[in-house]
Amino acid sequence: AQSVTQLGSHVSVSEGALVLLRCNYSSSVPPYLFWYVQYPNQGLQLLLKYTSAATLVKGINGFEAEFKKSETSFHLTKPSAHMSDAAEYFCAVSVPGQFYFGTGTSLTVIP
Amino acid sequence: IAGITQAPTSQILAAGRRMTLRCTQDMRHNAMYWYRQDLGLGLRLIHYSNTAGTTGKGEVPDGYSVSRANTDDFPLTLASAVPSQTSVYFCASSVNVPMAGGADTQYFGPGTRLTVL
Repeated sequence: AQSVTQLGSHVSVSEGALVLLRCNYSSSVPPYLFWYVQYPNQGLQLLLKYTSAATLVKGINGFEAEFKKSETSFHLTKPSAHMSDAAEYFCAVSVPGQFYFGTGTSLTVIP
Repeated sequence: IAGITQAPTSQILAAGRRMTLRCTQDMRHNAMYWYRQDLGLGLRLIHYSNTAGTTGKGEVPDGYSVSRANTDDFPLTLASAVPSQTSVYFCASSVNVPMAGGADTQYFGPGTRLTVL
């Protein structure tokens, strides 16, 4: 069965520090992978997605993620956190017949 | 372009009452979805629709029904609400259904916060 696991339901970083949000997937076929962000009291919006064109994917607001097949990972990073990055982040996987969101990681940015 | 609109924004409902959550998109997307979001459980798919006139069950369909009479509208009905249906409900749409294995982006509405007492 396909699935996606986000390690750490809560992550806190200082403003200006590196942001690293972890996502691991399980899939028997090549997946498409997504990161979505949810700001308080809003719906989700796409940050970036992996579609097999390039393993390093750049998204909006300075975020990027690298697809590592050997590690079955798609971790989200940003070199320098900003206060406006405080939000809930969801990893998602799409394979034929299935689509799953992870349980989410809440990012807190400390001034 | 409004994208996806949902109504109501929030609702408090007595158990046993019938409730319809409304969702409308103006992007002419084929696929539409209803999710519920609960703390610690992320988003779980309730029902989806590949195209107008067709619907399918998601991960947690019990107690909910949907219809897709046209491309734009995808209402979600709780026939007899129960407290366990207290949640935030999100409607979403995409060009095509991702369960076909594609990489289409899903676009989300602002959500409906439902409390069943």
